Amino acid sequence: EPEVTQTPSHQVTQMGQEVILRCVPISNHLYFYWYRQILGQKVEFLVSFYNNEISEKSEIFDDQFSVERPDGSNFTLKIRSTKLEDSAMYFCASSLTTPDTGELFFGEGSRLTVL
Amino acid sequence: KNQVEQSPQSLIILEGKNCTLQCNYTVSPFSNLRWYKQDTGRGPVSLTIMTFSENTKSNGRYTATLDADTKQSSLHITASQLSDSASYICVVTLYNTDKLIFGTGTRLQVFP
Repeated sequence: EPEVTQTPSHQVTQMGQEVILRCVPISNHLYFYWYRQILGQKVEFLVSFYNNEISEKSEIFDDQFSVERPDGSNFTLKIRSTKLEDSAMYFCASSLTTPDTGELFFGEGSRLTVL
Repeated sequence: KNQVEQSPQSLIILEGKNCTLQCNYTVSPFSNLRWYKQDTGRGPVSLTIMTFSENTKSNGRYTATLDADTKQSSLHITASQLSDSASYICVVTLYNTDKLIFGTGTRLQVFP
């Protein structure tokens, strides 16, 4: 069964460093998303991406964050100058159609620990 | 404010028993309501998805109901199994956006 894959599964970084989280969405999907979950809290929407551009972003997704689809398969989340409060599980998701009608498939997550 | 609240926060049941989890939401307007299962440290896995016009949706031993008038949903699990131990999250899609709004989840533990 097709699945969303994420790497790394866990990354530890020093405050102020840049981090890139990688995702390989399901191959025929057109819509891509990043969500995050701080330990013990709700999953929160960060950004959606369609047709090689951001279609929607939350207030969390400020200039510190960026997303990119550098080739036909990868979808990346870059976090510049990481802060302690960026420590969280980051989930990538993809869907064939918009969330109005489509199923979102989530990856297993990348746990980011900022020290 | 668009919010999704769930109850109970946690639940312990014995294997083979049934249980019902509750979800109340204030998201308006909404496109659909989903229930996800999330194992600790893993990604959410979809169980059901219902539009505002649907009242019930089943997926094996999982049955979700939706009352769009009272803005309530429930997830009923029949004949629970040890593998049902997980968090169950109610998620509402805000209409005409890409944004899924997650609840805090109900942590279910099934004991033998």
